Amino acid sequence: QAQLVESGGGLVKPGGSLRLSCAASGFSFSDYYMSWIRQAPGKGLEWISYINSPGSYTNEADSVKGRFTISRDNAKNSLYLQMNALTVEDTAVYYCVRDRGPRSWFDLWGQGILVAVSS
Amino acid sequence: DIVMTQSPDSLALSLGERATINCKSSQSLFYSSTNKNYLTWYQHKPGQPPKVLFYWASTRESGVPDRFSGSGSGTDFTLTINSLQTEDVAIYYCQQFYTTPRTFGQGTKVEIK
Repeated sequence: QAQLVESGGGLVKPGGSLRLSCAASGFSFSDYYMSWIRQAPGKGLEWISYINSPGSYTNEADSVKGRFTISRDNAKNSLYLQMNALTVEDTAVYYCVRDRGPRSWFDLWGQGILVAVSS
Repeated sequence: DIVMTQSPDSLALSLGERATINCKSSQSLFYSSTNKNYLTWYQHKPGQPPKVLFYWASTRESGVPDRFSGSGSGTDFTLTINSLQTEDVAIYYCQQFYTTPRTFGQGTKVEIK
């Protein structure tokens, strides 16, 4: 069945970088937009970035613009999130999410992976 | 950005009771050219990823039990769970997709009393 599995999370110091990966299976990955959504401890869900199906267009939330970069490799059925200049406010569970489009909903979620930013 | 506000933040009910969760948006989510409300409801159980319950405010996702219903239009929406079951313990979120950035409500935690 359709599945998304995140990897690459962990503990990083403020100002550091981390790259998240997401492996997709069970559906035609190259047909779908994809997004990253995060949930900080005790907080709600926050969409942070999406990428269109061919990977030619991206959009980011203001909170991560200029620091986070979403990308994809359709040949590898993989989605990525490069996170730079991390701050403690970026501590969250990060979800890889199948996106039905910028004016649509998120119809398949990974289990999520924890990114903790702390000195 | 459109602000989504849910109420209540949490509720605890007995098995078999009805749960009502409200979601209010800071601007209308109704798009007249499609005659649809651009709102989704998600269920987030502990240890599991969020799952879609309804899209277009009231269209039930395949496999969602019919004790769940979504209603509302414009700026006011409701998720109702008739006859609450143990497996319904979760946090429920509304999300607007009328405009970017897509935003979520803060969540409503449903527990069994």
